Amino acid sequence: EAGVAQSPRYKIIEKRQSVAFWCNPISGHATLYWYQQILGQGPKLLIQFQNNGVVDDSQLPKDRFSAERLKGVDSTLKIQPAKLEDSAVYLCASSGTLNTEAFFGQGTRLTVV
Amino acid sequence: GESVGLHLPTLSVQEGDNSIINCAYSNSASDYFIWYKQESGKGPQFIIDIRSNMDKRQGQRVTVLLNKTVKHLSLQIAATQPGDSAVYFCAENPRGSQGNLIFGKGTKLSVKP
Repeated sequence: EAGVAQSPRYKIIEKRQSVAFWCNPISGHATLYWYQQILGQGPKLLIQFQNNGVVDDSQLPKDRFSAERLKGVDSTLKIQPAKLEDSAVYLCASSGTLNTEAFFGQGTRLTVV
Repeated sequence: GESVGLHLPTLSVQEGDNSIINCAYSNSASDYFIWYKQESGKGPQFIIDIRSNMDKRQGQRVTVLLNKTVKHLSLQIAATQPGDSAVYFCAENPRGSQGNLIFGKGTKLSVKP
């Protein structure tokens, strides 16, 4: 079974630029998550999708972050404009059903300079 | 106690010894708990989970104990190996949160050969 795929693996941008991350969840998984992991901390949920609908985006900084999952499969997360404090690893995860384990991708390490 | 930012709690053990990693969770309404292992440069990897109707669950070389009275979770690793070196996170799923996992800050396990 293929795992959660994310790209790119690394990205370096200047502050005020925009960036987009892509995620392909495990086939058949209805639930998709985007987490932000700052160095030395645990992952923090940004947004959760169930199929193509948003379940929870309460911790997404909506003035600069956006995410979509138009066809209920792949998802993109965008930051525009980026700030220095956005430097982190952005993890995508998926699960087959609610209240079961989430499987994580390798993440995208973003550095904002 | 727990640290903030870059200063993760660290547990150092000798190869072959047993390891115990502790976690205090925050929400008394949480009904599902997971332990994840995260190696450098990788996404979190599922180790073992437990639901709130149980107080102990065993896997291969790992055991999770749940004490709901004091909101405490522990992960026991038997015969710790160098490959177990990683950061370990506990995650809780508050009842009714539709699968949103809340992660703790993590503990770094170092195994000395």
